[in-house]
Amino acid sequence: DGGITQSPKYLFRKEGQNVTLSCEQNLNHDAMYWYRQDPGQGLRLIYYSQIVNDFQKGDIAEGYSVSREKKESFPLTVTSAQKNPTAFYLCASSIELLDGYTFGSGTRLTVV
Amino acid sequence: RKEVEQDPGPFNVPEGATVAFNCTYSNSASQSFFWYRQDCRKEPKLLMSVYSSGNEDGRFTAQLNRASQYISLLIRDSKLSDSATYLCVVRNQAGTALIFGKGTTLSVSS
Repeated sequence: DGGITQSPKYLFRKEGQNVTLSCEQNLNHDAMYWYRQDPGQGLRLIYYSQIVNDFQKGDIAEGYSVSREKKESFPLTVTSAQKNPTAFYLCASSIELLDGYTFGSGTRLTVV
Repeated sequence: RKEVEQDPGPFNVPEGATVAFNCTYSNSASQSFFWYRQDCRKEPKLLMSVYSSGNEDGRFTAQLNRASQYISLLIRDSKLSDSATYLCVVRNQAGTALIFGKGTTLSVSS
């Protein structure tokens, strides 16, 4: 079945560590996105990529980095520069920019 | 005005009730509109796109008023399984990504 796979489902990070969240899709979608959701808050855009080897900053890119070396993969690295990384991270993809998204099941990151 | 604004609720209704959610958006140039549903601690799922002429999918009806920059979602004959948070979603000004409202929580009781 086609879909988006995010891993791990839960992730614990010590302060000062970098961690990488995985996002893989087999939907043949061109566009991919990373959002962050805090309790009681809406989703906020971190980064997005419209095509391979190209990506753009969203509204809250500071402290995060991404790569898009393959169409299927869009990993997100949460760096030690991100001051408040505890959140629910959601990866999404769409066929074209005008379409709605398909989301992965998310990664819950907690700083310990 | 916030980019996408929704009444957070919660809306508590009995089974069989009709409930309506409203949403306003700030970018008059937006071209794409959606309603998503999000269950507790899960990812959002697309409920329906919203078209200028209005559209219906079973018990769900979405309306768009471009002049007032207003979107609505009507749920008829509410079911227990409709309990969730409903997110109003609008494409951003650049057309490159979606902006999500904070959501309206619905609780349907028997």
